[in-house]
Amino acid sequence: AQSVSQHNHHVILSEAASLELGCNYSYGGTVNLFWYVQYPGQHLQLLLKYFSGDPLVKGIKGFEAEFIKSKFSFNLRKPSVQWSDTAEYFCAVNAASGTASKLTFGTGTRLQVTL
Amino acid sequence: DVKVTQSSRYLVKRTGEKVFLECVQDMDHENMFWYRQDPGLGLRLIYFSYDVKMKEKGDIPEGYSVSREKKERFSLILESASTNQTSMYLCASSLAGAYNEQFFGPGTRLTVL
Repeated sequence: AQSVSQHNHHVILSEAASLELGCNYSYGGTVNLFWYVQYPGQHLQLLLKYFSGDPLVKGIKGFEAEFIKSKFSFNLRKPSVQWSDTAEYFCAVNAASGTASKLTFGTGTRLQVTL
Repeated sequence: DVKVTQSSRYLVKRTGEKVFLECVQDMDHENMFWYRQDPGLGLRLIYFSYDVKMKEKGDIPEGYSVSREKKERFSLILESASTNQTSMYLCASSLAGAYNEQFFGPGTRLTVL
């Protein structure tokens, strides 16, 4: 069975600081990887995803993530955070086969950006 | 834009009641999902469906059942609600295929007293 670990549960940063949120997964086969974000009071929405090709993927709002297969990692990064990035971030993985994109989510990282 | 709607934002029920949570999507998606979201536990999959009348158990199906009679609608049923089912319930939908993103509804916060 696949699993996802997000080691940072709560991160507090000042505006303009750089961000890196860790995500590690365990699964022996080929995977698709996702980062979702949940802003306060809003729906969960996709930030970015990786399923093949360039391991460095860019998403919305200046976020990017790098897939490192040898480390089973898919860390999320942003060079300079804004107050509006305050949200909860979830990493998710599924097996790259089958018809139903059954996702396994991490426990989430709550990011708080201070002015 | 894809729209996933859930019948209630907030719901309060009593222990032992039968509870229905409804989810509707308007983009003709094949897949639909029910999750529960709890602080510190992230999202956990309860059930999913990849076609009308088809369903598969997720990671935590105990105490729940589902129904999908029409492609756009996916219902989650708590046969006999218990206090440990107090949670935020999220519905999602996606196109067929493992690489397609899931689109989420706003969630239903269920409190079982």
